[in-house]
Amino acid sequence: GQSLEQPSEVTAVEGAIVQINCTYQTSGFYGLSWYQQHDGGAPTFLSYNALDGLEETGRFSSFLSRSDSYGYLLLQELQMKDSASYFCAVKYRNNLFFGTGTRLTVIP
Amino acid sequence: KAGVTQTPRYLIKTRGQQVTLSCSPISGHRSVSWYQQTPGQGLQFLFEYFSETQRNKGNFPGRFSGRQFSNSRSEMNVSTLELGDSALYLCASSWGQEPSSGNTIYFGEGSWLTVV
Repeated sequence: GQSLEQPSEVTAVEGAIVQINCTYQTSGFYGLSWYQQHDGGAPTFLSYNALDGLEETGRFSSFLSRSDSYGYLLLQELQMKDSASYFCAVKYRNNLFFGTGTRLTVIP
Repeated sequence: KAGVTQTPRYLIKTRGQQVTLSCSPISGHRSVSWYQQTPGQGLQFLFEYFSETQRNKGNFPGRFSGRQFSNSRSEMNVSTLELGDSALYLCASSWGQEPSSGNTIYFGEGSWLTVV
């Protein structure tokens, strides 16, 4: 089976940097994805790591280390609109298995 | 182009009833997946259809079923509803079997099911 663990809640200040970690116990997956979900909305894709290392997409960056079974999402220059839930996910046979989710609250 | 469309958006059912949810994928997408989201269990994979065939199934009881039509539209059905089935049911579509990519899955806004 697939198991992905994330911190349940994180609070950060507007303009700051925050890191959301994801540790997993899985095998045979193709990469680690990150999704954002605002309350009442659909999950939307943020970033994907097929290989170890850092991927940067604007204010968002994601990192993967397969040897450590660990990844993280880095959000820079936090904005109030970044308050949402963030999920890591592994793609296995064209299906996504999601982490437990992290609720990010950005405060002024 | 239009995104993934799910209907109905909100519905209330009574325990013991059945419910059918519908999903229209993005035009050209042939794969449709269904997920259940609850506060306690998070996002859980239900099943996935590709070209009218169920390819994968999650760990849910047989009361949960689905199908896909020739136009790639999909429906999922839950029979003999239980209170614990109250959840947001999300549909996601993608073009096909692209295991090397993680950014080709698009979600609809979901159907909120409340069982009373």
